Amino acid sequence: GESVGLHLPTLSVQEGDNSIINCAYSNSASDYFIWYKQESGKGPQFIIDIRSNMDKRQGQRVTVLLNKTVKHLSLQIAATQPGDSAVYFCAEKYASGTYKYIFGTGTRLKVLA
Amino acid sequence: DTGVSQDPRHKITKRGQNVTFRCDPISEHNRLYWYRQTLGQGPEFLTYFQNEAQLEKSRLLSDRFSAERPKGSFSTLEIQRTEQGDSAMYLCASSPSGSTNEKLFFGSGTQLSVL
Repeated sequence: GESVGLHLPTLSVQEGDNSIINCAYSNSASDYFIWYKQESGKGPQFIIDIRSNMDKRQGQRVTVLLNKTVKHLSLQIAATQPGDSAVYFCAEKYASGTYKYIFGTGTRLKVLA
Repeated sequence: DTGVSQDPRHKITKRGQNVTFRCDPISEHNRLYWYRQTLGQGPEFLTYFQNEAQLEKSRLLSDRFSAERPKGSFSTLEIQRTEQGDSAMYLCASSPSGSTNEKLFFGSGTQLSVL
């Protein structure tokens, strides 16, 4: 079915290290991308977004990079903390004319103390 | 709390029964989405509304599933003749209209278990 894929299903990092979570998206015409964080038993929580006319966007401790040439997104988390432990999803919005968002399978981030 | 609200949080039902879930979006959000999520998977798109109009439905949404948003505010998702394969988390999300702020805000979901 339609999907946005992720390369690494589980990522373990030491507390204080930087984390990089990757995502391959499917539709070259997608114009908007979002990273979500989901903790157990909760709905996805917005982290950061980026439009297709940008290749980098920074937030607080997070950076999203977009490479349209290879249809690749990454989420970088600086100084990873125990509270960052969760499943992370990328989502793409297909091109204008629809507001349908397609999510990937997810990457579980485990922060080791 | 001005976030997306879903009710109930948990629902256990027997196979063959009908269930209905409710979603109250963030006030003034024009778009409302339903997603389904199974363990270890990302949310799967089911349908979305712009105000009261249902603009798109996934082929995952069989004829046993129906969603409504009659007044453009809250929405209901009904599953008729439930099957064990319907067991999942049903997530609702909303977003404002316009092209400058498109991110989805999710509720906590309704966990459905079909026995």
